[in-house]
Amino acid sequence: QLQLQASGPGLVNPSETLSLICSVSGGSISSTNYYWGWIRQPPGKGLEWIGSMYYSGSTYYKPSLKSRVTIFIDTSKNQFSLRLSSVTAADSAVYYCGRHSRLKDAFDIWGQGTMVTVSS
Amino acid sequence: DIQMTQSPSALSASVGDRVTITCRASQSISNWLAWYQQKPGKAPKLLMYEASRLESGVPSRFSGSGSGTEFTLTISSLQPDDFATYYCHHYDTYSWTFGQGTKVEIK
Repeated sequence: QLQLQASGPGLVNPSETLSLICSVSGGSISSTNYYWGWIRQPPGKGLEWIGSMYYSGSTYYKPSLKSRVTIFIDTSKNQFSLRLSSVTAADSAVYYCGRHSRLKDAFDIWGQGTMVTVSS
Repeated sequence: DIQMTQSPSALSASVGDRVTITCRASQSISNWLAWYQQKPGKAPKLLMYEASRLESGVPSRFSGSGSGTEFTLTISSLQPDDFATYYCHHYDTYSWTFGQGTKVEIK
């Protein structure tokens, strides 16, 4: 059974760059059937899609975050990563990584989420 | 961009009740809609995809319907494990959009 595990610093200083890794186990990230994405959820609020990528390296970002977001993949390590620059308190959230099935057009597997707080 | 709007934002119901949640798209999305369940402190879980297809392992008391711009998620007989927040979600050509969520609380 494929599993996703998000990891990274739980505290980031304002104006700095948030960096998270999603490790994929139990299956290959190099599959034509899936996109790999990041979704976040501020405390007490709803889900917000940040961006997704295909194993080939193609990336897709939420327009309002595009100038600050980079998602990249390391197929040799079977993981993908998120970088969000110039963070503010508004970027404090639980960050989830997820697998989007192209067959179902839905995120069918999610990582457990990791809380990131932006504060000095 | 397509906007997804859920209603109600919250509802109170009792065990055994029939519960219906609505999701409306700002333009037609055919049947490309998914539903997720999220419990506090947990990641969302896929319930339905393509509007009416039940994800493997999801109880049959959950059902989905709709096409175009209006969709519903129905729980035929609410169980204690079903108290959670539910989100609709649409994917379209490299853009992923979630509804704002519907919290189902115990009456």
